Amino acid sequence: DIVMTQTPLSSPVTLGQPASISCRSSQSLVHSDGNTYLSWLQQRPGQPPRLLIYKISNRFSGVPDRFSGSGAGTDFTLKISRVEAEDVGIYYCMQATQFPWTFGQGTKVEIK
Amino acid sequence: QVQVVESGGGVVQPGRSLRLSCAASGFTFSSYGMHWVRQAPGKGLEWVAVIYYGGRNKYYADSVKGRFTISRDNSKNTVFLQMNSLRAEDTAVYYCARDYDGNWVPDYWGQGTLVTVSS
Repeated sequence: DIVMTQTPLSSPVTLGQPASISCRSSQSLVHSDGNTYLSWLQQRPGQPPRLLIYKISNRFSGVPDRFSGSGAGTDFTLKISRVEAEDVGIYYCMQATQFPWTFGQGTKVEIK
Repeated sequence: QVQVVESGGGVVQPGRSLRLSCAASGFTFSSYGMHWVRQAPGKGLEWVAVIYYGGRNKYYADSVKGRFTISRDNSKNTVFLQMNSLRAEDTAVYYCARDYDGNWVPDYWGQGTLVTVSS
């Protein structure tokens, strides 16, 4: 199985400041069809997960443009350009290049 | 609007069975894959299973293979998760989610249903 490793596991951020989360996979996520199936999801406290980013850098419908994704191969990053109070929660990367699909451990974003 | 609603959770003894249901609305159900993802109390997300379109293509996590079965009834816009030989480590909130067609990621998620395996 592909192991997804996120860093940091906790990220205290000042409101209005940027935040960055790294996700590394144990093997390349480039699929034989040429796509890289790396996604980012947000889980606010007490809520189900919400899709933010798919295929590395595509924002899902309704996701604010302060969220951006980048990376390639085995190294990926989620950036929040200016953290707002509603961004508090746990962020997960997820790979769907190979079954079984696997998630990172999660990164908790909280306000300082 | 797209909605998925899970049901069927509860408390069950180890070794027993339980069937979860997920009712979908707001989209053409038969055209989409459907996932089950679970989250143990205080833990992260674990993908469990997916079933695609007509129901023949199914994939499972290693931890549930041979014990859990995903199925769907396109006439009722419902996906199921039959869970047999339940273990304490299967205790979790089980989420149903639609597959974002062609992008291989769950997009719309339900609120989840709690399964507790305990004697």
